[in-house]
Amino acid sequence: ETGVTQSPTHLIKTRGQQVTLRCSSQSGHNTVSWYQQALGQGPQFIFQYYREEENGRGNFPPRFSGLQFPNYSSELNVNALELDDSALYLCASSFYASGANVLTFGAGSRLTVL
Amino acid sequence: DQQVKQNSPSLSVQEGRISILNCDYTNSMFDYFLWYKKYPAEGPTFLISISSIKDKNEDGRFTVFLNKSAKHLSLHIVPSQPGDSAVYFCAASYPRAGNNRKLIWGLGTSLAVNP
Repeated sequence: ETGVTQSPTHLIKTRGQQVTLRCSSQSGHNTVSWYQQALGQGPQFIFQYYREEENGRGNFPPRFSGLQFPNYSSELNVNALELDDSALYLCASSFYASGANVLTFGAGSRLTVL
Repeated sequence: DQQVKQNSPSLSVQEGRISILNCDYTNSMFDYFLWYKKYPAEGPTFLISISSIKDKNEDGRFTVFLNKSAKHLSLHIVPSQPGDSAVYFCAASYPRAGNNRKLIWGLGTSLAVNP
């Protein structure tokens, strides 16, 4: 059983640029959630995808967008990067309707915006 | 507004002793609580959970206690081992439309277990 994998693990961008982060969900899972974890903070919910559609969104602006593909993998896109977007971006997969919402996390993609 | 609060940023205990990590919450709608453990350079891993209809859940060395009237939960690790050294996050969720849940996280407590 493969876990959640994320790529890239680290990347550096400059203000105004765009970034795409990728996530492969754990085998058997059909839902993907994205979280932003700033330094010294807990993870903050960005959004969740189920059946290739956004299924819940946190308090993030529209320049944060995502996709889910038929194989349940997902992308997080951030446009017009700002310095405050520097953070660890965590992808988590789960099985929808499991009730408990026990998430399996990837190791994250650390984004630095200069 | 922090709905899930972990007021101790760090905790240090001796190997073999009990570690007690605390978590307070403000939203009475929360009905499910989880603890995650995070090592450096890894994603959080699920540790243990508890439903609001229970007041205790035990899994090996890990026990979570829930006091709904006080809106407080705690994670007990007995006995503590050096490999338990990590950041522990408390998270909570509540029912939303379409069974869509999101987790609200605390800031984490860094546990150091000294040999």
